[in-house]
Amino acid sequence: QKEVEQNSGPLSVPEGAIASLNCTYSDRGSQSFFWYRQYSGKSPELIMSIYSNGDKEDGRFTAQLNKASQYVSLLIRDSQPSDSATYLCAVSPYTGTASKLTFGTGTRLQVTL
Amino acid sequence: DGGITQSPKYLFRKEGQNVTLSCEQNLNHDAMYWYRQDPGQGLRLIYYSQIVNDFQKGDIAEGYSVSREKKESFPLTVTSAQKNPTAFYLCASRVDRGLLNTEAFFGQGTRLTVV
Repeated sequence: QKEVEQNSGPLSVPEGAIASLNCTYSDRGSQSFFWYRQYSGKSPELIMSIYSNGDKEDGRFTAQLNKASQYVSLLIRDSQPSDSATYLCAVSPYTGTASKLTFGTGTRLQVTL
Repeated sequence: DGGITQSPKYLFRKEGQNVTLSCEQNLNHDAMYWYRQDPGQGLRLIYYSQIVNDFQKGDIAEGYSVSREKKESFPLTVTSAQKNPTAFYLCASRVDRGLLNTEAFFGQGTRLTVV
C-alpha cells in the first residue's frame, strides 16, 4: 500500500464549478497535511496546510481532514483556467525524530472554458 | 531575499559520470529534502536531513549520496550507480517543529539529462 494515494486524473471541470481533489494516507500517526500546486515544468507551491480534523478555508480553497478515515481533500470553488495544474498531497508522519515528508503522485486538474 | 537556490537549472551528464546538484537555503530551516520527479509522476523522496552531519535515506536512495556539513547546504551527488538518472530534481527545506511540522518550501529545480 502506498503511503499517500491520489487519483492521477485528469479531473476535468468547467470554469466556475467546484473541483474536488482527494487523498488518502496509510500512516495513522500522521499529523501534518499539505496541498501543493505544481504547474508543468515548475516547482510545487504551497496552497494549504491542515493539522486538525475539519475544514480550513482560504479564499477559494477549502482543505478537509478526517483522521479517522485517513482522508484529506481539497475543494476549489469558482474554478478558473489558471487553476489547471497538478495538485500534490503531502503528509508528514510523526516518527519521533526524523521528519519525513511524503507526496502522492498528484492529480491533474483541467478547468475548461 | 530569503529562499532556496538550486543550481544548475539544467545539467547534462555522460554515462558513468558522477554529478553534484547544489542546494542552498538562507531561511534558517532545520530540515532539508531531495526529491526526484519523473514525467507525469509525483515526488519521490531520495534523502532528507534533520540536522547538520545527519541524514536519512528516503524511498529511492540507491545511486545517490548527500552531505550536510552546513545548515544552509545540502548537495546531492548522482553517482554512476544510478542507472536512470534523467529526471527533475527538487530540493526543499522547512522548519522542523517535531510533531506539527510546517510546510516545505521548494527550490526551482534542476533538470538532469543523461547524454
